[in-house]
Formats: sequence, structure tokens, C-alpha cells
Amino acid sequence: EAGVAQSPRYKIIEKRQSVAFWCNPISGHATLYWYQQILGQGPKLLIQFQNNGVVDDSQLPKDRFSAERLKGVDSTLKIQPAKLEDSAVYLCASSSSREQTQYFGPGTRLLVL
Amino acid sequence: AQSVTQLDSQVPVFEEAPVELRCNYSSSVSVYLFWYVQYPNQGLQLLLKYLSGSTLVKGINGFEAEFNKSQTSFHLRKPSVHISDTAEYFCAVSGPGGSYIPTFGRGTSLIVHP
Repeated sequence: EAGVAQSPRYKIIEKRQSVAFWCNPISGHATLYWYQQILGQGPKLLIQFQNNGVVDDSQLPKDRFSAERLKGVDSTLKIQPAKLEDSAVYLCASSSSREQTQYFGPGTRLLVL
Repeated sequence: AQSVTQLDSQVPVFEEAPVELRCNYSSSVSVYLFWYVQYPNQGLQLLLKYLSGSTLVKGINGFEAEFNKSQTSFHLRKPSVHISDTAEYFCAVSGPGGSYIPTFGRGTSLIVHP
């Protein structure tokens, strides 16, 4: 079974630029999550999708972050404009309705200069 | 609300020695507990999980953890570590109170010395 795919793996941008990350979850997983992991900390949930609907986006800084999952499969997370404090690893995870376990992708490491 | 405390930010140990990584949680409802490992520049990989049943849970790579409800702990143990176990370890709790979305601890860096 293929795992969660993410791209790009690394991205360096300057502040005020925009950036987008892509995630393809495990086939058949209805729930998709985006996490932000700042260096030295555990992952923090940004947004949760159930199919193509948003379940929880209370921690998403909506003035600059947006996410979509149009067809209920893959998803994109966008930051516009980026700030220095957005430097982090952005992790995508997915889970099925049958088990209470999340499976994580390799992450995208973002550096904002 | 749920929270997780990983008591040690860094645990150095010699190869082939036993190790215990500590995790305490707080929750007012029944919980699910997880340990994840993160190798450098990689995502999180599930080591083991407790959902119900036996309080001693065995996972991959020789790790095990014990759920102790009275002490609200879920410590991770391995009887003999290898250099390749050097990584960041995250404890997480989820459950009905958090819509099954896990809350992660800050992580414990396990450093195995030859």
C-alpha cells in the first residue's frame, strides 16, 4: 500500500512570497490533516478535512493560510504572503474511518528568509 | 481538553542499554494513546498505539509501552537500543473529547551512543 505523498520536500522562499504544498493521502482514506511542526515542537493541527469538507480549521491562520481538497482526494495548502515565523515542516496525514490512527507523509520543509 | 507531557527533552543512552521515554497525559475522558518516531528529515511513523484491551502494547522495532490509567502514563520502553534508534519520539493522545485528533507532546530526542 502506497503511503502519504507530499511535494515538494523542501522549499526556500523570501518573506512576503507565496508558496503551495501538495498532499496525496493513502487511497481510500476519507480524512486528511495538515500539521505545522516548528523546530523543537510537536506537530500542531492546522486543518482537518473529511472528504472534501472542512471539519476543523480553528488553528489555521486564515489571513494568510488557505487549504482545499476539491475532489475529496488530494489537497493543497497555500501560504500567502509568507512570514519568517512560517518556517517549519508541514506534514500531511490521512486516516480511514475504521481506525483511529493517522499515517503521515514525509513532510515539506519550508524556510522563509 | 487533552494534553501530553513528555518529561525528557533529550535522553542519551549507550548502544545495547535499555531505555524508557516518559509520557504523561491529561484527559477527562477515555483516551487513545500513540507513540510516533521521526527520523531526521522524515515524517512521523507510528510505533505503537493503545486503543483498548491489554495495557501492555508491543510495537515495531522492539518497542513496547504500558498504559497506566491510575498514573495517566504511557511510557515507551526498549530493552536494548541500537544506533539506528536515534530519532525524535512523540507521544500523542486522542479520544472522543478531541474528535479523535491527536494532541502531540513536544518530543523526546533519543540519542544512542556507540
